[in-house]
Amino acid sequence: NAGVTQTPKFQVLKTGQSMTLQCAQDMNHNSMYWYRQDPGMGLRLIYYSASEGTTDKGEVPNGYNVSRLNKREFSLRLESAAPSQTSVYFCASSQVPWNEQFFGPGTRLTVL
Amino acid sequence: GNSVTQMEGPVTLSEEAFLTINCTYTATGYPSLFWYVQYPGEGLQLLLKATKADDKGSNKGFEATYRKETTSFHLEKGSVQVSDSAVYFCALSVGTGANNLFFGTGTRLTVIP
Repeated sequence: NAGVTQTPKFQVLKTGQSMTLQCAQDMNHNSMYWYRQDPGMGLRLIYYSASEGTTDKGEVPNGYNVSRLNKREFSLRLESAAPSQTSVYFCASSQVPWNEQFFGPGTRLTVL
Repeated sequence: GNSVTQMEGPVTLSEEAFLTINCTYTATGYPSLFWYVQYPGEGLQLLLKATKADDKGSNKGFEATYRKETTSFHLEKGSVQVSDSAVYFCALSVGTGANNLFFGTGTRLTVIP
């Protein structure tokens, strides 16, 4: 089992460019999440999908969109990147919403 | 509201030293408590958890006891190793919603030989 995989691992964008971060899990989990990690701020939830077919905003959703493509895949899209979106992005999944979450290795994004 | 406060780092210890990382919480309701660990270049992984008062979570020599009276969940290890160098996150979850996991800011631990 690969667990939770994310692509790409690193990305540099210019302000205004768009990109999609990909996430997939092979544990047959129902719930998936996108977090950003910033120095001194821990992890903050951007969006989540409690189950296939549903998505909801988390703590910091502005500037992002998500798609739960199927049970395995949950993508995060930046339509017009801004320097404030420079961060490390983590995808996670869990069997049910209140259970242990399993994290991917992260995507380090820099917006110039 | 729900929040976690953990001691600021970084923490630097010599190998075989005793480790304590403090964590206190506020919660609306009756939370479950977690410690996650992030090794360099990796995502977070669950280290241990406790779901009710006085429970002790333990794993890989680490322990933490759920103290309801002091709203604390301090992480301890009797003898740290270089391989324990990582960032440690305290977290809580309340209720059954999907947006119910709240993280502390993380404490970076460096263990020197």
